[in-house]
Amino acid sequence: GENVEQHPSTLSVQEGDSAVIKCTYSDSASNYFPWYKQELGKGPQLIIDIRSNVGEKKDQRIAVTLNKTAKHFSLHITETQPEDSAVYFCAASFSGGDKVIFGPGTSLSVIP
Amino acid sequence: GAVVSQHPSWVICKSGTSVKIECRSLDFQATTMFWYRQFPKQSLMLMATSNEGSKATYEQGVEKDKFLINHASLTLSTLTVTSAHPEDSSFYICSATLQGGENIQYFGAGTRLSVL
Repeated sequence: GENVEQHPSTLSVQEGDSAVIKCTYSDSASNYFPWYKQELGKGPQLIIDIRSNVGEKKDQRIAVTLNKTAKHFSLHITETQPEDSAVYFCAASFSGGDKVIFGPGTSLSVIP
Repeated sequence: GAVVSQHPSWVICKSGTSVKIECRSLDFQATTMFWYRQFPKQSLMLMATSNEGSKATYEQGVEKDKFLINHASLTLSTLTVTSAHPEDSSFYICSATLQGGENIQYFGAGTRLSVL
């Protein structure tokens, strides 16, 4: 089955700096890669996703890149703000199936 | 759009009692709903997948008689923790995928269960 690894587990950046979180997956059949942001005591919120037919997707300060050959994908947050502080989860799935497999999460702290 | 409502947000119960958690898709019909369990500072662990009108599919190690799932309509799934014990205390989160959509999961806000 699919296995998703995520690094780093914790990340602290100064406000305004960039943050990068990296994930790898094991199942080459996976073709859908969402990223979720979870604030304390709340459910995960989808912030961006990418499918295997593209290599990069950007939405304002957030971008995701995908390298299918190497089976890794990354989240990039630019101009970080304190409200970006949260736990971020990457995930992978095969869009024809149901399950989404989550990485272990990255706790991001943006220091004002 | 794609709002998932989960109720209650927090529940405290005595050991041995049962607790029901509801998950509703408010503005869409959900082909499939998922139930997750999350321990502090850990990732989401999939417990089961439920499709409307059929039995839930449980992940390995999850007791189906302990965690009863009912998915009676395209907008409602319930998780009942039967005979709850302190070790069942956790954060339970549901998600739903949009019927005819592309496997995007929309999550509820979660339910904090504390068993005394």
